[in-house]
Amino acid sequence: KQEVTQIPAALSVPEGENLVLNCSFTDSAIYNLQWFRQDPGKGLTSLLLIQSSQREQTSGRLNASLDKSSGRSTLYIAASQPGDSATYLCAPDNQAGTALIFGKGTTLSVSS
Amino acid sequence: NAGVMQNPRHLVRRRGQEARLRCSPMKGHSHVYWYRQLPEEGLKFMVYLQKENIIDESGMPKERFSAEFPKEGPSILRIQQVVRGDSAAYFCASSPDGNQPQHFGDGTRLSIL
Repeated sequence: KQEVTQIPAALSVPEGENLVLNCSFTDSAIYNLQWFRQDPGKGLTSLLLIQSSQREQTSGRLNASLDKSSGRSTLYIAASQPGDSATYLCAPDNQAGTALIFGKGTTLSVSS
Repeated sequence: NAGVMQNPRHLVRRRGQEARLRCSPMKGHSHVYWYRQLPEEGLKFMVYLQKENIIDESGMPKERFSAEFPKEGPSILRIQQVVRGDSAAYFCASSPDGNQPQHFGDGTRLSIL
């Protein structure tokens, strides 16, 4: 059974810092891995999707890497801004089109 | 292009009543997923549907819960005889196929009195 752990659970940084959010998963036989952000009282916004054949994906100030063999993914946020404050969720799936398995997330607070 | 639409946004029911949650996927998306987020817990998968078919309901409680995605109209998650423990945020996601990202709605927050 796939289990997803995200560390740290919470993180507070001043504006402008670069930061790394970590995600580990127990079953390395994943198909895709998605990173999401969730704002309070809102749904999830997809940030990046990494297919199992890929090592990383980039979108603007975000870069996500994937190491399937070690069961790890990281989300790198460059030059953090207060608008980045949210909960970040990591979610692998084990087969195309199947359920996403979520970690509990990292709650990020960026102060100005 | 509208996103995934869920309604109602908030739903209050008394114990024993029925709750119906609706989800309209993004245009062109034929795959729908339902997830539940209990207080202080992560999102948990409930059910995966394609038009007129339930593909995977392994995360759905065996009793009181059902889901459908008819040929026409939104997907419906139905909870019969609600109990306090059903209070949660219920999220719907859709995708055009299994290789594409899942796009989420803003959820329905269900409160049971």
